[in-house]
Amino acid sequence: AQSVTQLDSQVPVFEEAPVELRCNYSSSVSVYLFWYVQYPNQGLQLLLKYLSGSTLVKGINGFEAEFNKSQTSFHLRKPSVHISDTAEYFCAVSGREFAGNNRKLIWGLGTSLGVNP
Amino acid sequence: DVKVTQSSRYLVKRTGEKVFLECVQDMDHENMFWYRQDPGLGLRLIYFSYDVKMKEKGDIPEGYSVSREKKERFSLILESASTNQTSMYLCASSRETGGGSPLHFGNGTRLTVT
Repeated sequence: AQSVTQLDSQVPVFEEAPVELRCNYSSSVSVYLFWYVQYPNQGLQLLLKYLSGSTLVKGINGFEAEFNKSQTSFHLRKPSVHISDTAEYFCAVSGREFAGNNRKLIWGLGTSLGVNP
Repeated sequence: DVKVTQSSRYLVKRTGEKVFLECVQDMDHENMFWYRQDPGLGLRLIYFSYDVKMKEKGDIPEGYSVSREKKERFSLILESASTNQTSMYLCASSRETGGGSPLHFGNGTRLTVT
């Protein structure tokens, strides 16, 4: 079975500071990894995804994430945040093998990023 | 751009009512999903569909049913609404049946059952 743990439920930061949102997963199969963002009163949208290849993945709005297979982590980073980055961020994983429950996304509980002036 | 449209942003219903939540996607996606989102519980999958007239239970299907008569439309039905179904409901679609295809979400329907 797969599981996803987002290690921080809330992360407050000041504008222009760097930020890291942490995500660890467990899985008995190879995985695809995703980060989604949810702005207030909106649905979720894809920030970035790791499918294969380079372990450093760049996404929209200046975010990037690094897949670390040995530590089973997929932490999200941004070197300098803006007020507009205030949102809920979700990490998710799905199995590569198309069989049964591996097709479904397993979600973390989310990290609320609050950017203060 | 893929557009997933949920018919209502806010809905207030009474206990015992039958409730329909509608979702339409415009990109010919094979897969459609219904989630509910509650504070502290994240996203929980209610039902999903990989093809027309096909449905599979997610993690919390009790009290819900779904209908997919056309490829672009996926409806969530609360047969007899209860107060514990007050929640944000999110519809999503994806292109491929493999796990690597990202989800595209609608803006959500906030349902209140009184």
